[in-house]
Amino acid sequence: GESVGLHLPTLSVQEGDNSIINCAYSNSASDYFIWYKQESGKGPQFIIDIRSNMDKRQGQRVTVLLNKTVKHLSLQIAATQPGDSAVYFCAENIMNYGGSQGNLIFGKGTKLSVKP
Amino acid sequence: KAGVTQTPRYLIKTRGQQVTLSCSPISGHRSVSWYQQTPGQGLQFLFEYFSETQRNKGNFPGRFSGRQFSNSRSEMNVSTLELGDSALYLCASSQQGGGTEAFFGQGTRLTVV
Repeated sequence: GESVGLHLPTLSVQEGDNSIINCAYSNSASDYFIWYKQESGKGPQFIIDIRSNMDKRQGQRVTVLLNKTVKHLSLQIAATQPGDSAVYFCAENIMNYGGSQGNLIFGKGTKLSVKP
Repeated sequence: KAGVTQTPRYLIKTRGQQVTLSCSPISGHRSVSWYQQTPGQGLQFLFEYFSETQRNKGNFPGRFSGRQFSNSRSEMNVSTLELGDSALYLCASSQQGGGTEAFFGQGTRLTVV
């Protein structure tokens, strides 16, 4: 069935290092992917998205890479800061632009801890 | 621009009661989706509304229902509450739904005792 899984449930990095959070998806029909950050007691915060016609997209300090061949998604955070500590979720969707958002399928999340 | 607003933030209810949660989307956004978040099941899709119509529904029992008003504000209702309904309920809004950025509110923490 459809699933979004994360390779590592926890990730600990040193402040200033780069972080890489990975995500595997199983539905080859998924063509829209979003990364969210969730801090304790808050709702998920949109970080960056990517459509399947792209393999890389960059934002401020973040880069998302999409490898459709192996159904793999990653989020790279440059110069990780203590404020980046949170749980990160990837979500997949079958894009129906202007139509139903449908079911954003979320992974279980990866907890990122940044050591000062 | 104001974000997605959910009220109330916290609720404690007794088994068998019903509850109504509210979500005000970002201005101009017409799609509102609801999710349930629990430690064991993660984030699970409940339903989506667009222009006052339910457009998609997840695998939840009929005790979970919702609606959307003409101003795009949405409510979800859970009847005959069970202990297992304790969760963080999140609403997400987007401009058009599919393929457009979805932004979440802070959520409503529901505890059923």
